[in-house]
Amino acid sequence: SQELEQSPQSLIVQEGKNLTINCTSSKTLYGLYWYKQKYGEGLIFLMMLQKGGEEKSHEKITAKLDEKKQQSSLHITASQPSHAGIYLCGADIQRTYKYIFGTGTRLKVLA
Amino acid sequence: GAVVSQHPSRVICKSGTSVKIECRSLDFQATTMFWYRQFPKQSLMLMATSNEGSKATYEQGVEKDKFLINHASLTLSTLTVTSAHPEDSSFYICSVQLYNEQFFGPGTRLTVL
Repeated sequence: SQELEQSPQSLIVQEGKNLTINCTSSKTLYGLYWYKQKYGEGLIFLMMLQKGGEEKSHEKITAKLDEKKQQSSLHITASQPSHAGIYLCGADIQRTYKYIFGTGTRLKVLA
Repeated sequence: GAVVSQHPSRVICKSGTSVKIECRSLDFQATTMFWYRQFPKQSLMLMATSNEGSKATYEQGVEKDKFLINHASLTLSTLTVTSAHPEDSSFYICSVQLYNEQFFGPGTRLTVL
């Protein structure tokens, strides 16, 4: 089974709408990373969360880490077509500096 | 952060040939690099950890004789896909570790005909 599950798998929203993507771990989270990827391209680092309860924001994207629930959420406010892409969460679950990635969420924003 | 490049960005080869993909750390010396593979519409899967001056550590299910990794210098790791087959067609991404963070290359798309 997948150690990092993301939901939803895909999302289509109208421009201007808010949305949330979740990442749930089956193991203890020591830190979590969010990346954005356009299909066939490299990963763009969005945010790193290291402490339980930590919340970070960058432009219209906010991410939170709930260590107790072993879960992180990524929230986009007033989505724009430029937000479209694949969002991946990644974590060093085993504390070996080897990342495990989530299943990915494909976001499409309709203009 | 760290700047990571990959070469080539795209490669098309015939079945049975070998393909070498380079991963370079441009602005710092990386003792550890990682190689990932991503199939269409799937997430990234770690293939191996490349350690400078020593043998790479492969993840379960990854054939070390098929995916040869050489980390000969602190700025360069290479992944060679030997005797490539169509099922090896994928997007290969490398990353370098700086402190407790990884920085990713732009990826290499391999298509095996």
